[in-house]
Amino acid sequence: GDSVTQMEGPVTLSEEAFLTINCTYTATGYPSLFWYVQYPGEGLQLLLKATKADDKGSNKGFEATYRKETTSFHLEKGSVQVSDSAVYFCALSRANTGNQFYFGTGTSLTVIP
Amino acid sequence: DAGVIQSPRHEVTEMGQEVTLRCKPISGHDYLFWYRQTMMRGLELLIYFNNNVPIDDSGMPEDRFSAKMPNASFSTLKIQPSEPRDSAVYFCASSPRDRTGELFFGEGSRLTVL
Repeated sequence: GDSVTQMEGPVTLSEEAFLTINCTYTATGYPSLFWYVQYPGEGLQLLLKATKADDKGSNKGFEATYRKETTSFHLEKGSVQVSDSAVYFCALSRANTGNQFYFGTGTSLTVIP
Repeated sequence: DAGVIQSPRHEVTEMGQEVTLRCKPISGHDYLFWYRQTMMRGLELLIYFNNNVPIDDSGMPEDRFSAKMPNASFSTLKIQPSEPRDSAVYFCASSPRDRTGELFFGEGSRLTVL
């Protein structure tokens, strides 16, 4: 069945460091891929998405490229800030699963000044 | 526009009591989801609705859990009787008809069962 596997955390980085959070997926067909972010005490919110192979989603300095050949959607940011401290979830959705989303386990990121 | 609204934000109750969590989805969204989040199990899908009809409730833990959506603007998740292992943050999310659309989450209801 469909699933998402993402990098285990927690991740701790210094401010301005480079961030990569790995995400791979298993799905038949052509899913849409998402990164969601959860700040402390809040619900998840969409960070970026890509709906087809080779698409790059980007938002707030974060980027992820839909790689069908490696079934991956790794999240990257060139220079993290303290305000990026949050839990990051990779997710996929396929139209023929009735809009059901499959989430990874989440990766906690802490950025220290 | 208002986002997904959940109530209560926090609930503390004793084992055996009935708990009702409420959700108002974003107007015009056709899909509504209930998720549970714990440290041990992460984010789990409990049930989701399409146009007020339950589509998949395979994630509902057991018969103590029930969910309803009597109309397009309201849903409830009920636990009766509650147990300490039900302690978690429960999220409601809604989504538009576009099947590749994003999920819009509420702020969650934090349940503590003593």
